[in-house]
Amino acid sequence: GQNIDQPTEMTATEGAIVQINCTYQTSGFNGLFWYQQHAGEAPTFLSYNVLDGLEEKGRFSSFLSRSKGYSYLLLKELQMKDSASYLCGVANTPLVFGKGTRLSVIA
Amino acid sequence: ETGVTQTPRHLVMGMTNKKSLKCEQHLGHNAMYWYKQSAKKPLELMFVYSLEERVENNSVPSRFSPECPNSSHLFLHLHTLQPEDSALYLCASSLERGGPERLNTEAFFGQGTRLTVV
Repeated sequence: GQNIDQPTEMTATEGAIVQINCTYQTSGFNGLFWYQQHAGEAPTFLSYNVLDGLEEKGRFSSFLSRSKGYSYLLLKELQMKDSASYLCGVANTPLVFGKGTRLSVIA
Repeated sequence: ETGVTQTPRHLVMGMTNKKSLKCEQHLGHNAMYWYKQSAKKPLELMFVYSLEERVENNSVPSRFSPECPNSSHLFLHLHTLQPEDSALYLCASSLERGGPERLNTEAFFGQGTRLTVV
């Protein structure tokens, strides 16, 4: 079976740092993706982790621990435009997604 | 613009109508997907086509019928839908590398079709 868990909602302040966690239990694993989805728009790719460790890309970083079935997305220097849903997806042919975390950035 | 185009963007249909959703990509991808996104629910995988063959169908009702005539085009044929089928339908594509693990690159999503069944 496939089970991917993320918090439903989070709120953070502009300029702050926020960490969105994702835990997964899947029958196979070929990597973990993070997507950003603004309301009414298509999801857009943020990051991909297939090996353990931290991948940094500008203000966004993603971490993976395969042994723990755990990942997080770290957003630094939050901006109002970062208010969106963040989807954790496991690449298991095909991609399977969690419910998404709705992040609200407040002034 | 992601390179994946869906039409129409919005569709309102009655329960007795027949309509089709279209998805097109020219990214050289060989796998295409239909996802359903209802309010406050996760993205639900409906169908997967790899190399134009259906490889996954998560027990979707038969009132949804996919068609993949070639690696660039994907359709979702709709008939006798129910109001609870109202949702955002997203098409995605990726490049599936061969081999036993069948690794996928990231998926690129279309803008979606907002479907309302009345």
